[in-house]
Amino acid sequence: EVQLVQSGAEVKKPGESLRISCKGSGYSFTSYWISWVRQMPGKGLEWMGRIDPSDSYTNYSPSFQGHVTISADKSISTAYLQWSSLKASDTAMYYCARLSPGDWFDPWGQGTLVTVSS
Amino acid sequence: EIVMTQSPATLSVSPGERATLSCRASQSVSSNLAWYQQKPGQAPRLLIYGASTRATGIPARFSGSGSGTEFTLTISSLQSEDFAVYYCQQYNNWWTFGQGTKLEIK
Repeated sequence: EVQLVQSGAEVKKPGESLRISCKGSGYSFTSYWISWVRQMPGKGLEWMGRIDPSDSYTNYSPSFQGHVTISADKSISTAYLQWSSLKASDTAMYYCARLSPGDWFDPWGQGTLVTVSS
Repeated sequence: EIVMTQSPATLSVSPGERATLSCRASQSVSSNLAWYQQKPGQAPRLLIYGASTRATGIPARFSGSGSGTEFTLTISSLQSEDFAVYYCQQYNNWWTFGQGTKLEIK
């Protein structure tokens, strides 16, 4: 079974750094891009960026470029999303998703809730 | 950026009835359109890709149609488990999502 399992919920203070993870299993991790998607409380879905785990090449949405960093460690089939200095406005649920060869998202990870509050 | 607009924002339908959800793209996305279902507290789940192809395991009561800028998701006979939020997504030019349609029980 193809699965993406994300790390657990985080509570952080403004200015702190954070890295969340997404571990793939049941398939060749380096054969499919991974995307990250943000969902702010009560809101819709926003594509943040993607990574090719085979060489760590990335693309970012202009809305998120410079605010987050996407990386991957293919040796442990894990992709990451990280912030160097969190803001309250980063409070959201974050999902990873595998990009199909046709470019739709399937499957999705279960989500990681990030709460940033002083 | 391609803007995706879904209508209506909320749709109230009785179980057993048909639901029709719409999605419009600000420019042509060909057939590069997917639909996702999201239930409270859960991740989105792929329903339809290529505008009209059901994903693995998706019941036949779900169908998608359209191309270019106008798309429709139809659920032929609503079951209790179908009440959720539905998102369309274009993947013709990067990725953007509609704002969602909440399908609620009438």
